[in-house]
Amino acid sequence: AQTVTQSQPEMSVQEAETVTLSCTYDTSESDYYLFWYKQPPSRQMILVIRQEAYKQQNATENRFSVNFQKAAKSFSLKISDSQLGDAAMYFCAYGNKLVFGAGTILRVKS
Amino acid sequence: DAGVTQSPTHLIKTRGQQVTLRCSPISGHKSVSWYQQVLGQGPQFIFQYYEKEERGRGNFPDRFSARQFPNYSSELNVNALLLGDSALYLCASSLIPEIALNTEAFFGQGTRLTVV
Repeated sequence: AQTVTQSQPEMSVQEAETVTLSCTYDTSESDYYLFWYKQPPSRQMILVIRQEAYKQQNATENRFSVNFQKAAKSFSLKISDSQLGDAAMYFCAYGNKLVFGAGTILRVKS
Repeated sequence: DAGVTQSPTHLIKTRGQQVTLRCSPISGHKSVSWYQQVLGQGPQFIFQYYEKEERGRGNFPDRFSARQFPNYSSELNVNALLLGDSALYLCASSLIPEIALNTEAFFGQGTRLTVV
């Protein structure tokens, strides 16, 4: 069975600084998708960024980018120029059925 | 366009009761998935439906059941409620079950179920 591990329960970042959230996963599949979702206090999950395993190039969406290391089964999220609106719970997820990690609370300090 | 809508937003039930949660997908989306998110944890996959057929089931007891209607809306039923069933129940819709390059799962705001 696939598993997703987020080892950082909570992270803090100063506004305008950069923060990296960690995620590791376990799978025996060779082709799959990985995702980062954001869940603000409104509870609605919002897709931040996705990565296809067969693509070696790391995905980028504006201030959000990933560092995908397939051999190490690592999928970290980097948020550049952090904004107050980035404060939320962030979940790493795997596959079509979306296996989620336990989440990382991101706090942004002004 | 309306997003994924779930009803009710909150409800309180007593142990042993039964509950039905409802989800309306985005127009045109034929796949609906259900997740349970216990406080402080990540969501856990419960069911996935596509074209009214069950396409996947997570590791949940038979007290949990679901169905999808011809208009692609879905219901999640939980029988014989336990205190441990207290959670946020999330519904997600997508065009197809396989979240490929041009497909994304969109989530509703969830139903907060409290079992007392």
